[in-house]
Amino acid sequence: AQRVTQPEKLLSVFKGAPVELKCNYSYSGSPELFWYVQYSRQRLQLLLRHISRESIKGFTADLNKGETSFHLKKPFAQEEDSAMYYCALSPRERGNKLVFGAGTILRVKS
Amino acid sequence: NAGVTQTPKFRVLKTGQSMTLLCAQDMNHEYMYWYRQDPGMGLRLIHYSVGEGTTAKGEVPDGYNVSRLKKQNFLLGLESAAPSQTSVYFCASSYLKSGSSTDTQYFGPGTRLTVL
Repeated sequence: AQRVTQPEKLLSVFKGAPVELKCNYSYSGSPELFWYVQYSRQRLQLLLRHISRESIKGFTADLNKGETSFHLKKPFAQEEDSAMYYCALSPRERGNKLVFGAGTILRVKS
Repeated sequence: NAGVTQTPKFRVLKTGQSMTLLCAQDMNHEYMYWYRQDPGMGLRLIHYSVGEGTTAKGEVPDGYNVSRLKKQNFLLGLESAAPSQTSVYFCASSYLKSGSSTDTQYFGPGTRLTVL
């Protein structure tokens, strides 16, 4: 079965502090991993995907197949990073289906 | 482009009533999805469609039906609403991408449904 686990419901950090949002997955095949973000009063949108290996808004995420993890990191948090973050897995099946984690609320305090 | 739109934005139903949620996209996407979002559970896939005239069950399909009569529209129906269906419903769409990678899903603004 495919499963995505985000162990923290809420992560609260101060502005300028490093951020790490944890994501672990279980899947027997070769998945694609994503981070989606939902800012207040905005739609859920893609933040980044592991195959792109890019940094978006200062965030990066590395797929660790050995630990089956895809943690989201940013060295210096900003107040505008406050949002709900979802880790998602695609089993690469027809239909582009995604399996989402429960989400982590990130609060960046000034 | 409006992207993905959902109608209505809010709705309150009594137990046993029926309703239809409408999702429309203007991006010519092949794939469309209906999710429900519940606290502590993230987004769970209800039904999805890989093209006009086709639908398939997702993770939590019971109590819901869907139809995709036109490529741009994906309807979600509740025949007899129950309090357990109180949730925020999101529609999404994505492009049919060749190869093995998964394309981005584009989400609508959501519909907040309360069943009393």
